[in-house]
Amino acid sequence: GAVVSQHPSWVICKSGTSVKIECRSLDFQATTMFWYRQFPKQSLMLMATSNEGSKATYEQGVEKDKFLINHASLTLSTLTVTSAHPEDSSFYICSARELANDYNEQFFGPGTRLTVL
Amino acid sequence: GQNIDQPTEMTATEGAIVQINCTYQTSGFNGLFWYQQHAGEAPTFLSYNVLDGLEEKGRFSSFLSRSKGYSYLLLKELQMKDSASYLCAYMDSNYQLIWGAGTKLIIKP
Repeated sequence: GAVVSQHPSWVICKSGTSVKIECRSLDFQATTMFWYRQFPKQSLMLMATSNEGSKATYEQGVEKDKFLINHASLTLSTLTVTSAHPEDSSFYICSARELANDYNEQFFGPGTRLTVL
Repeated sequence: GQNIDQPTEMTATEGAIVQINCTYQTSGFNGLFWYQQHAGEAPTFLSYNVLDGLEEKGRFSSFLSRSKGYSYLLLKELQMKDSASYLCAYMDSNYQLIWGAGTKLIIKP
């Protein structure tokens, strides 16, 4: 099956610093990538939808200037959490949708656990 | 609008059968997905239904009724490793997944 990787898998940073998370589709081309955030014991919350070569579409309540998304190629999208604060500590998961996929299935990365001190 | 519901938690016994229901309301529909998520891990795909009926895949089966806005995931011969959260999600007219809150399934020996 299609594989999506995320890097790093976990990160601890100081308040006020920026953190970049990479999401890569390893064996397929992803026209669309999605960024989710999940707090403990809660469901996935879509943050933004990213299409290759265009600006990301952010969900209501998600600050686009704080969560910078770049989708420069069909296999790579990055999420940068700028000026991170403790309340940004969460599990960040990306998913990718294959270019030609009858199921419209999203393949998930393993997630990145961010802890802001 | 976005409206999708599933039970918060269910408990079942090892070796038994459990059915997790999911109901949704949407004006645009492009299929319903079930994902399994173990604690601290990303979701993994279980099933996809876009037509009415039952899809069987090993110990897991998924059912869909579009007219009723209803789906269920059926797990047979439960194993301890099946303890996880099960997420249902429908794909809307924009091909975006709308997620339920997840059902935490607890398996007891």
